[in-house]
Amino acid sequence: EIVLTQSPGTLSLSPGERATLSCRASQSLSSSYYLAWYQHKPGQAPRLLIYGASDRAAGIPDRFSGSGSGTDFTLTIDRLEPDDFAVYFCQQYGDSPLTFGGGTKVEI
Amino acid sequence: QLQVQESGPGLVKPSEPLSLTCTVSGDSITSGSKYWGWIRQPPGKGLEWIGNMYYSGATYYNPSIKSRVTMSADTSKNQISLKLISVTAADTAVYYCARSPTSKYYFDYWGRGILVIVSS
Repeated sequence: EIVLTQSPGTLSLSPGERATLSCRASQSLSSSYYLAWYQHKPGQAPRLLIYGASDRAAGIPDRFSGSGSGTDFTLTIDRLEPDDFAVYFCQQYGDSPLTFGGGTKVEI
Repeated sequence: QLQVQESGPGLVKPSEPLSLTCTVSGDSITSGSKYWGWIRQPPGKGLEWIGNMYYSGATYYNPSIKSRVTMSADTSKNQISLKLISVTAADTAVYYCARSPTSKYYFDYWGRGILVIVSS
């Protein structure tokens, strides 16, 4: 199965700064762009941010952007807002079984 | 607005079956090309995909758990169910139900999850 490794484990930033999160696959996704990103806060349902590596989900502000293909993917959050501090995880859906990254915590 | 809610026992004894229900509101589980999935997260660990299904009965399971899992749909109640047999402490996790908007299995709506503890 494809292992997704996210880095860093924790990102300490201030509101207004840019967050750059990495998701690396153990092998190239057979469907190069089948990578999604989610935001997860404690006690809440995970929220889809990005699918297809770079397509924003409905209602997601353009401060969130995704890029990459193959094995290396990035989620960028511009101008961090207080509500953005959460755990972010990636998921590949090009190969079975679907797999998830371990998550990056973005903290103040 | 679509809402997804998991329900079921929070405590299951080892070797007994774990049964959870996912109730969907705001849309029909039969609408469009929607698939429904279960994902779990053991305490302190990452997310693990359990399986996806189409309301008509087609199912796709993670090979690591395939021998123990069954997913089914009750269209009259707009519900998706998960049954996991022969559970052990390793099955202790928060279980999430989620929707895949297409046959490409990313998930656009999730429930808040339900913690299931396997313990005697």
